Amino acid sequence: NAGVTQTPKFQVLKTGQSMTLQCAQDMNHNSMYWYRQDPGMGLRLIYYSASEGTTDKGEVPNGYNVSRLNKREFSLRLESAAPSQTSVYFCASSPGTDNTEAFFGQGTRLTVV
Amino acid sequence: LAKTTQPISMDSYEGQEVNITCSHNNIATNDYITWYQQFPSQGPRFIIQGYKTKVTNEVASLFIPADRKSSTLSLPRVSLSDTAVYYCLVGDVIGASKIIFGSGTRLSIRP
Repeated sequence: NAGVTQTPKFQVLKTGQSMTLQCAQDMNHNSMYWYRQDPGMGLRLIYYSASEGTTDKGEVPNGYNVSRLNKREFSLRLESAAPSQTSVYFCASSPGTDNTEAFFGQGTRLTVV
Repeated sequence: LAKTTQPISMDSYEGQEVNITCSHNNIATNDYITWYQQFPSQGPRFIIQGYKTKVTNEVASLFIPADRKSSTLSLPRVSLSDTAVYYCLVGDVIGASKIIFGSGTRLSIRP
């Protein structure tokens, strides 16, 4: 089973460039999440989607947009990348109602120069 | 969302039992307590979840006192491979979806 798949695994951007991080899950989960993790720090929630068709801001949404394309896919877009967005980005999914056990992807290491 | 407080770091030795305590004084009636483990360069992995008293699985035990204002993750007979960051989370699982991580406890196991 693939679980949660993120693409790409690594990316280098120049300041001001845009890009979309892709995430897909094959567990028929309702909820999906995007987190960022800076070196030596904990995870911070950027955006989440409780169910298909809904998205909500997390702790640090500024500079990001998301799209819940369908039940399987949840993408994160950086419209104008900044060096402060250099981080490891994790996508996760969970069944949602009555069960918040989350399953994480392998992460995308993003560097903005 | 209830805020959690846990030690920044802990050290132990192989074969020992390790107990990591998390404080969550403002836990709400519907909140569950969940623990995750994260190895370097990997996403967190669910360990255990509980509401009250004691929960045990093949990996760990979770002890929750009656007032639920704290919880203790117990790892029996740790090995070097248990070196990781452990996160305590508190949140409503009934119809809720927001999963917030704190700063975690960095556990180092020595030979």
